[in-house]
Amino acid sequence: GDSVTQMEGPVTLSEEAFLTINCTYTATGYPSLFWYVQYPGEGLQLLLKATKADDKGSNKGFEATYRKETTSFHLEKGSVQVSDSAVYFCALSASGSARQLTFGSGTQLTVLP
Amino acid sequence: EAQVTQNPRYLITVTGKKLTVTCSQNMNHEYMSWYRQDPGLGLRQIYYSMNVEVTDKGDVPEGYKVSRKEKRNFPLILESPSPNQTSLYFCASSSYRDTGELFFGEGSRLTVL
Repeated sequence: GDSVTQMEGPVTLSEEAFLTINCTYTATGYPSLFWYVQYPGEGLQLLLKATKADDKGSNKGFEATYRKETTSFHLEKGSVQVSDSAVYFCALSASGSARQLTFGSGTQLTVLP
Repeated sequence: EAQVTQNPRYLITVTGKKLTVTCSQNMNHEYMSWYRQDPGLGLRQIYYSMNVEVTDKGDVPEGYKVSRKEKRNFPLILESPSPNQTSLYFCASSSYRDTGELFFGEGSRLTVL
């Protein structure tokens, strides 16, 4: 079945550092890919998404490119802020529907001032 | 304000004492779902509902019940809670447009002693 593998956390960075959180997936066909973010004490919210190969999703300075050849969707940000401290979840949907999301295990990011 | 509201946010209970976690959304969404979040396992779907009176099992339905008598409400029922149901629970919803975005509640942390 479909699955998502994220890099193990936690990840601790200093403010203004470069961030990469790795995400690879296993799925048949051409799934849609998502990054969700969970800030402390809150529910998850959609950060960005990409629906086809070579698409780049971006939001709030975060980017991720859908790489079909490497089945990856790594999350990047050039300069993190303390306010980016959160848990980040990579997810896929074989049909593109939110009703069929498969989530990764999440990566805890802490940004220190 | 568009939101998904869960109650209670925190609950400590004992084995076997029936409890209900309520979920309500004010966005007129057709689809609603319950997830549990456990360390290292990400989010796992418990039950979902495509519309009023239509519910179905997710990946981990054992020990849970749901009902969908009204479009806005989707309560999660633990008839006889056990310690392995100690977890963080999230309710989520999405609209018929289904762009891939799930809207989450803030979560309900349940401890079963």
